[in-house]
Amino acid sequence: EDQVTQSPEALRLQEGESSSLNCSYTVSGLRGLFWYRQDPGKGPEFLFTLYSAGEEKEKERLKATLTKKESFLHITAPKPEDSATYLCAVVSGGSNYKLTFGKGTLLTVNP
Amino acid sequence: NAGVTQTPKFQVLKTGQSMTLQCAQDMNHEYMSWYRQDPGMGLRLIHYSVGAGITDQGEVPNGYNVSRSTTEDFPLRLLSAAPSQTSVYFCASSTPQTRFSYNEQFFGPGTRLTVL
Repeated sequence: EDQVTQSPEALRLQEGESSSLNCSYTVSGLRGLFWYRQDPGKGPEFLFTLYSAGEEKEKERLKATLTKKESFLHITAPKPEDSATYLCAVVSGGSNYKLTFGKGTLLTVNP
Repeated sequence: NAGVTQTPKFQVLKTGQSMTLQCAQDMNHEYMSWYRQDPGMGLRLIHYSVGAGITDQGEVPNGYNVSRSTTEDFPLRLLSAAPSQTSVYFCASSTPQTRFSYNEQFFGPGTRLTVL
């Protein structure tokens, strides 16, 4: 059974204070790892897909990286508008379209 | 494109009542799915469909029915609502998967359901 663990559960940063969120996973044959952002009262918004170890993707202040056991979402010089819950999800070769989500990291960026 | 739309946004039911949550997408996506999101549990897959006329169960299917008569619509039916079904429900859609990769899913805004 696929498992996804995100840490920390909550993170509070000052504006401009860079940090990283972690997503560790256990799957049988990773077919994709996804990062989503979710604002309160809204649906998850797609950020990145990573497929293989060593892959990196960037979008504005966010950079996602992938190893064989975990993924990191690096946030460089965050702004208050980056405050949200960040979700990680995986799909494996044996899961047949089923996304397994972590419980998320609640990020708060104070001005 | 409106993307993925869901109705209603909020709903209160009494135990034993039935209802249908509506989901529609205008992106011509073949794959659609329903999730529920509960505090401390994350998002869990209820049912999914890989195309019109084809549906399958996810992780937590009990108490829910789905059908897919068109590419655009994927309604979720609660047969006899229970307090344990109080949750936020999200519909998502995606383009077909390739043999070696899965495409991202696009989520709707959600339906917040309370069962008394």
